[in-house]
Amino acid sequence: RKEVEQDPGPFNVPEGATVAFNCTYSNSASQSFFWYRQDCRKEPKLLMSVYSSGNEDGRFTAQLNRASQYISLLIRDSKLSDSATYLCVVTGGATNKLIFGTGTLLAVQP
Amino acid sequence: ETGVTQSPTHLIKTRGQQVTLRCSSQSGHNTVSWYQQALGQGPQFIFQYYREEENGRGNFPPRFSGLQFPNYSSELNVNALELDDSALYLCASSPRGGAGQETQYFGPGTRLLVL
Repeated sequence: RKEVEQDPGPFNVPEGATVAFNCTYSNSASQSFFWYRQDCRKEPKLLMSVYSSGNEDGRFTAQLNRASQYISLLIRDSKLSDSATYLCVVTGGATNKLIFGTGTLLAVQP
Repeated sequence: ETGVTQSPTHLIKTRGQQVTLRCSSQSGHNTVSWYQQALGQGPQFIFQYYREEENGRGNFPPRFSGLQFPNYSSELNVNALELDDSALYLCASSPRGGAGQETQYFGPGTRLLVL
């Protein structure tokens, strides 16, 4: 079983749609949680951290459920520029290494 | 941009050869982590260097080795290249090794193709 599991997609949505990504992780000792965004042939970039209390940044809302070991990302009013791969990430071990899911590809259509 | 640089940007090698990839960390960061991202996959942790010492290693064979220099820049060396080593190699710098939850900042990566 992979440490971090995501639906690989692709998710094809029209502009203005709301889209939700889900992710589960296997290690209950994981301490930090993130969503990264990766554009085609580019490096991953931090989109937002995820907290149990939930956090929102503009059109993006992230939520963590530690009991279910489940992380979510909601994107409202999708823009063409949101098209990218969204990577669910948890940290693990003494090195604070990042453990990535395989990513979910989002394609926002005009 | 993150201030993390990597060189070269692209590289083509043949099986059995050796390769060295380089990373300059962001100013003030003493920790560098290396990741391998195969096509269609998320990045996989290779190892981390903190103050010139290896500070943790992922599930990669010993032919993957590294160095960190006094200025905190780092090298990833891969010996006896295999076709499956073809991937995007990413380095990420952070201000303190494993001690907290500091954000890791990624460089643009080196795309390695092994023929």
